[in-house]
Amino acid sequence: KAGVTQTPRYLIKTRGQQVTLSCSPISGHRSVSWYQQTPGQGLQFLFEYFSETQRNKGNFPGRFSGRQFSNSRSEMNVSTLELGDSALYLCASSSLRNEGYNEQFFGPGTRLTVL
Amino acid sequence: DQQVKQNSPSLSVQEGRISILNCDYTNSMFDYFLWYKKYPAEGPTFLISISSIKDKNEDGRFTVFLNKSAKHLSLHIVPSQPGDSAVYFCAARGSIKAAGNKLTFGGGTRVLVKP
Repeated sequence: KAGVTQTPRYLIKTRGQQVTLSCSPISGHRSVSWYQQTPGQGLQFLFEYFSETQRNKGNFPGRFSGRQFSNSRSEMNVSTLELGDSALYLCASSSLRNEGYNEQFFGPGTRLTVL
Repeated sequence: DQQVKQNSPSLSVQEGRISILNCDYTNSMFDYFLWYKKYPAEGPTFLISISSIKDKNEDGRFTVFLNKSAKHLSLHIVPSQPGDSAVYFCAARGSIKAAGNKLTFGGGTRVLVKP
């Protein structure tokens, strides 16, 4: 099976712009989560989508949003970019439905640099 | 409030010896714990997990121990190999019904295995 793929791998934007990142989960996985990794804050949960519905959301401002499509692919959007949004954005997918224990598999990430 | 803590930011071990990584958590609602390995500019790679109904899980060179009363888990790598040099993250998840697939990560431990 192909792993989790993320595009683009690298992105450079300027303050005030907006950006859209894409994630394709492992085939058959319907749960997609997004995380932000920064040197200062570590790995932090942004949000999770399951069957096109946001199931949980982390403590991030409303500038961060996401969506999931019927084929389970997901996008996240950051509007009005700030310097502090520079980070590695990671997507993870899981086959888990509503109970049980199942690992999440991560993609390679999108490195976003805001100038 | 850091709910998952890895108090050792770094660990150096000789090749062939045991590496022991520790992780503490404060949220008693966590019921599933995972360890990930991460290289720079890559996504985390799943290593091993354990549910709260167990106290030990083994997979090849990796063993995870869970002490629920102490809210502590550890990862043992035996024998350590130079390719194990990476940053290791401990992660915890609560009930799927309560919080979906949200993972809370520790700050990571950088492991260096010396030949």
